[in-house]
Amino acid sequence: DVKVTQSSRYLVKRTGEKVFLECVQDMDHENMFWYRQDPGLGLRLIYFSYDVKMKEKGDIPEGYSVSREKKERFSLILESASTNQTSMYLCASIDSTDTQYFGPGTRLTVL
Amino acid sequence: GEDVEQSLFLSVREGDSSVINCTYTDSSSTYLYWYKQEPGAGLQLLTYIFSNMDMKQDQRLTVLLNKKDKHLSLRIADTQTGDSAIYFCAVDTGGGNKLTFGTGTQLKVEL
Repeated sequence: DVKVTQSSRYLVKRTGEKVFLECVQDMDHENMFWYRQDPGLGLRLIYFSYDVKMKEKGDIPEGYSVSREKKERFSLILESASTNQTSMYLCASIDSTDTQYFGPGTRLTVL
Repeated sequence: GEDVEQSLFLSVREGDSSVINCTYTDSSSTYLYWYKQEPGAGLQLLTYIFSNMDMKQDQRLTVLLNKKDKHLSLRIADTQTGDSAIYFCAVDTGGGNKLTFGTGTQLKVEL
């Protein structure tokens, strides 16, 4: 089974802190994605990556950056966390049949 | 960009059929997906349909696609309490395996 793991299920940070959210997949997938999920808005794509060191902006990249130094790991970085970044963050990777597999999510609260 | 719409809530009685609807705007989508999210968990792929199909059945799940009206539906037969979850439709957009998700429909199954 494909496994996508995220480093934390719950995080609480303060405004202005730098926040790292880690995602690891164990199936050698090339494509990985970061979404945020908010009630009534569904999932919105923040960034995605086609391969190591490759990244592309999604629909709402402002306030975020990403890092893909190894194929299995895709990190989402909040350079200076703000309260409007309180959300559920979901990581996904995609296989050769274009099926996306999701991690369990990280619920981030910014105080 | 692509717009994917769903109603936010649906309530059914146990044993009844549930029908969750989704409309989208991009007629060039090749794959259309249904995902299920249980409380506190990530998204789990339920089923998908190719754009050249009208219907796909998988046990209790039936997916109907009306390409002319850009309408996708998920029917769950004999709905059980374990089916209570948020259901997301998603369509592929813009290449690069990107998906656009709907807002999600919260299905509540009552005894």
